[in-house]
Amino acid sequence: DTAVSQTPKYLVTQMGNDKSIKCEQNLGHDTMYWYKQDSKKFLKIMFSYNNKELIINETVPNRFSPKSPDKAHLNLHINSLELGDSAVYFCASSQGVGTSGYNEQFFGPGTRLTVL
Amino acid sequence: GNSVTQMEGPVTLSEEAFLTINCTYTATGYPSLFWYVQYPGEGLQLLLKATKADDKGSNKGFEATYRKETTSFHLEKGSVQVSDSAVYFCALSPYSGGYNKLIFGAGTRLAVHP
Repeated sequence: DTAVSQTPKYLVTQMGNDKSIKCEQNLGHDTMYWYKQDSKKFLKIMFSYNNKELIINETVPNRFSPKSPDKAHLNLHINSLELGDSAVYFCASSQGVGTSGYNEQFFGPGTRLTVL
Repeated sequence: GNSVTQMEGPVTLSEEAFLTINCTYTATGYPSLFWYVQYPGEGLQLLLKATKADDKGSNKGFEATYRKETTSFHLEKGSVQVSDSAVYFCALSPYSGGYNKLIFGAGTRLAVHP
């Protein structure tokens, strides 16, 4: 199926650990995103990559490091996990960066991260 | 700056009732406006969009009109169904040098009862 997929779906870990979340899209898009949804359902963009180049970095702690090995993949690595990192993390993709309009973003199913 | 304000939920309605979810925005320039829907346990799906003033977005019986004079993009549906129960997010994409960034409201949970 063509889609945006994320692994794992659930991630439970201890404070201080390092973990990664993976995202893959097979829609042929060239732009990918990470969003964080907190416990109150508030969604905020974290990062965006276009053709493997970082184009959006929204005041996210240095403990979060995105990596895009190719256009179809955008991974999120988190060092020294804290309680406040508990959230649902959504990956999304779109075609292009919409210089004069908007190109729809397609979202993955989310990864629920719980830090104990 | 850019921001989106939505009415707080939850909104609880009976099947076939009329739905309005209010959304207002603050933006520089001429943003595009969207409604996304999140069904339980799923990711977000684009419900409808409008890219300029007075545009009306519509899909699956839902409608919203881009009102520049009131900086609003209220979501409406004439007759809701139980299957419409979800969280609805209003969002804008500012024109910011071509970066395709979405800024979301806090979301409004809709619960429709038979």
